[in-house]
Amino acid sequence: QKEVEQNSGPLSVPEGAIASLNCTYSDRGSQSFFWYRQYSGKSPELIMSIYSNGDKEDGRFTAQLNKASQYVSLLIRDSQPSDSATYLCAVNKRSGYSTLTFGKGTMLLVSP
Amino acid sequence: GAGVSQSPSNKVTEKGKDVELRCDPISGHTALYWYRQSLGQGLEFLIYFQGNSAPDKSGLPSDRFSAERTGGSVSTLTIQRTQQEDSAVYLCASSFPLTSGRPNEQYFGPGTRLTVT
Repeated sequence: QKEVEQNSGPLSVPEGAIASLNCTYSDRGSQSFFWYRQYSGKSPELIMSIYSNGDKEDGRFTAQLNKASQYVSLLIRDSQPSDSATYLCAVNKRSGYSTLTFGKGTMLLVSP
Repeated sequence: GAGVSQSPSNKVTEKGKDVELRCDPISGHTALYWYRQSLGQGLEFLIYFQGNSAPDKSGLPSDRFSAERTGGSVSTLTIQRTQQEDSAVYLCASSFPLTSGRPNEQYFGPGTRLTVT
């Protein structure tokens, strides 16, 4: 089982719709969870972090964490063509300094 | 403030040559990470520094790869006797001190695209 799994996509949604991106992780002791956005040819950009069960909202983005199900998701409301990118889920296994384990990413395509 | 910077942005080298890639982290960030990303692939962890020490070198793919960090700031990743399979984008990231409460939030530089011919 891969440590962090994401559907590679592409996930295609029309402009204005809600995009739902999902991620599962294998290590039940994982502590911190992150979503990065990576445009083609660019480096990853941190867009959301979540540390406890439940929802965290920031503008059009909502991160959801369910540690019992080992599941983290990212919702993008009112999707825009500029949201078209690959979204990487990253998980930190223990508190303090540690490496992040990244999923391979889900490509999101938002059509006008 | 200024983000993570990396140089050069692009490097083309001949097989067998040595290359040095540089990373300058965000001021005040005490942890520094190197990753590489091959075309169409995910992020591959290489090495992590806390201050000047490297508690986790587990991702270095071979002894041709080495990295150092001096003064708790700038880091250099060196690849000796480059091979074509070393071609990739090498990404550096840095993160806040432990006391910040946000120590695992990593911020990436723009990367160095290495092409070995």
